[in-house]
Amino acid sequence: KQEVTQIPAALSVPEGENLVLNCSFTDSAIYNLQWFRQDPGKGLTSLLLIQSSQREQTSGRLNASLDKSSGRSTLYIAASQPGDSATYLCAVRRGYGQNFVFGPGTRLSVLP
Amino acid sequence: AAGVIQSPRHLIKEKRETATLKCYPIPRHDTVYWYQQGPGQDPQFLISFYEKMQSDKGSIPDRFSAQQFSDYHSELNMSSLELGDSALYFCASSERTEEQYFGPGTRLTVT
Repeated sequence: KQEVTQIPAALSVPEGENLVLNCSFTDSAIYNLQWFRQDPGKGLTSLLLIQSSQREQTSGRLNASLDKSSGRSTLYIAASQPGDSATYLCAVRRGYGQNFVFGPGTRLSVLP
Repeated sequence: AAGVIQSPRHLIKEKRETATLKCYPIPRHDTVYWYQQGPGQDPQFLISFYEKMQSDKGSIPDRFSAQQFSDYHSELNMSSLELGDSALYFCASSERTEEQYFGPGTRLTVT
């Protein structure tokens, strides 16, 4: 059974810092991995999708990497801003057309 | 761009009542997923549909059922509601192998 963990559970940084969020999964046979952002009580916003054949994806200040063999993904946020404060979840898809298994999330606070 | 629509956004029910949640996927998306997110929890997969057929099943209680209709919208039916069913229910849609897009969720409160 696929299990996804995220470290750290919570992170508080001053504005402007670069930071890394970590995601680990137990079964390396994944189809793809997606990073989401969730604001309190709100829906999930897709940030980046990495296919199993890819090593990384970039969007603006965000860069996500995938090392499938070691069961790890990282989300790098450059020059953090208070508006980045949210919970970041990583989710892995088990196979073609199948559902995602979510990690517990990292709660990020960026202080002005 | 069109997004996933869920209705209602908020729902309050009493124990043992029934509830129906609706999801309207992004046009041309053929797959719908339902997730349940309890307070402080990560989303847990309930069930999915591809081309109106159930494609995968997760931790969905027997009291719940779902279906996808000919226009691709989906409904999650929940009966004999329990206090523990209080959660945020998300619907997501995708083209079969692509990125999942989530709706804003329905917040169900069972009293």
